[in-house]
Amino acid sequence: EVQLLESGGGLVQPGGSLRLSCAGSGFTFNSYEMIWVRQAPGKGLEWLSYISRSGNTVYYSGSVRGRFTISRDNAKNSLYLQTNSLRGEDSATYYCATIGGSGSHWGWFDPWGQGTLVTVSS
Amino acid sequence: QSALTQPHSVSGSPGQSVTISCTGTSNDVGIYNYVSWYQQHSGKAPKLIIYDVTERPSGVPDRFSGSKSGNTASLTISGLQTEDEADYYCCAYAGSYIWMFGGGTNLAVL
Repeated sequence: EVQLLESGGGLVQPGGSLRLSCAGSGFTFNSYEMIWVRQAPGKGLEWLSYISRSGNTVYYSGSVRGRFTISRDNAKNSLYLQTNSLRGEDSATYYCATIGGSGSHWGWFDPWGQGTLVTVSS
Repeated sequence: QSALTQPHSVSGSPGQSVTISCTGTSNDVGIYNYVSWYQQHSGKAPKLIIYDVTERPSGVPDRFSGSKSGNTASLTISGLQTEDEADYYCCAYAGSYIWMFGGGTNLAVL
């Protein structure tokens, strides 16, 4: 069964840091581009970051660029999101997902993990 | 970058059809066919229901269909069932490995 499992969320003070992890299983991890998406409580989905299969190419949304860093360890079948300088508005459930397809049929997110909750509060 | 525009809520009775619109720009929905839709039940992770504008993953009922015209994509759910009650999000590629989500639409099956 294809599965993604996030971990690493929790309560952190403003200005603090957390490292989120996403463990993949049931598929060839290094064959898939991956992304992070977050959802603030009661709000919609927000795309955050993209990483290529090798990890050499990364992109970020403007809201997290310079504060968050995406990375992956294909030997460990794991994706990471280092979150620094956290603010109250970063409080959300963070999801990882694989990008499906290739070429002209590409760009959807499936599957998704179950999410990990980050709460930024003093 | 602004989010794609979706209606906040829609509703329908069992057996009816509803359509949810998703309006972007000529830089995202209008130029790429990388439009997908996600269903999210309360407290659950999003689930892919449409990709490549019109394609359904295996296991998704054919009651769900997608389309696009210009800068607007649409999701139509026909033969509404109570289990369709959920939030629905559109997503579009905006170039340079950046994606945009819509604000989400809450579907009520009355």
